[in-house]
Amino acid sequence: KNEVEQSPQNLTAQEGEFITINCSYSVGISALHWLQQHPGGGIVSLFMLSSGKKKHGRLIATINIQEKHSSLHITASHPRDSAVYICAVISQGGSEKLVFGKGTKLTVNP
Amino acid sequence: KAGVTQTPRYLIKTRGQQVTLSCSPISGHRSVSWYQQTPGQGLQFLFEYFSETQRNKGNFPGRFSGRQFSNSRSEMNVSTLELGDSALYLCASSSRQASTGELFFGEGSRLTVL
Repeated sequence: KNEVEQSPQNLTAQEGEFITINCSYSVGISALHWLQQHPGGGIVSLFMLSSGKKKHGRLIATINIQEKHSSLHITASHPRDSAVYICAVISQGGSEKLVFGKGTKLTVNP
Repeated sequence: KAGVTQTPRYLIKTRGQQVTLSCSPISGHRSVSWYQQTPGQGLQFLFEYFSETQRNKGNFPGRFSGRQFSNSRSEMNVSTLELGDSALYLCASSSRQASTGELFFGEGSRLTVL
């Protein structure tokens, strides 16, 4: 079992819909990253959070440390949001290296 | 502010050869971390350098190595290339150690091993 599990693997939505992508992890963590990767490979860091909730524009990220779960929400989705969204965690103690989920491929149709 | 620059963007090598990839971080950033991305394994952490010292290393064989120079530019080297080394290699820079700071990624170097 992977340390970081994302769901769903693939998601297709219509423009304007509310999107939720989930990330569950099995280890204690010090922080969690949400990343966005567009076709072609470039990765953009969306959020880094260790507790609570963060908001940037139409994107909202939440984390529940006790339940070992984080969600990324996109409100009023747009075709330009089509990308792969990747969750990555930094485990507590010992080696501080990023462990990645497999990603969620989001397609937003006009 | 210039972003993270990786060179070369694309390269083709044959089995047994070696390759060196370069990463120039954002000015002022002291942390450079490297990642391998393949369709099968996804993104995997290779190693991180901070102020010229390797801080962390992922679970990759010794054929994968790296270094960081005094100007924070970093190189990674893969020796005795295997077909399975074909991947997108990404680097990221951060003003703090990668585990605690926001990451800024380069566009990647796409390596094909024939």
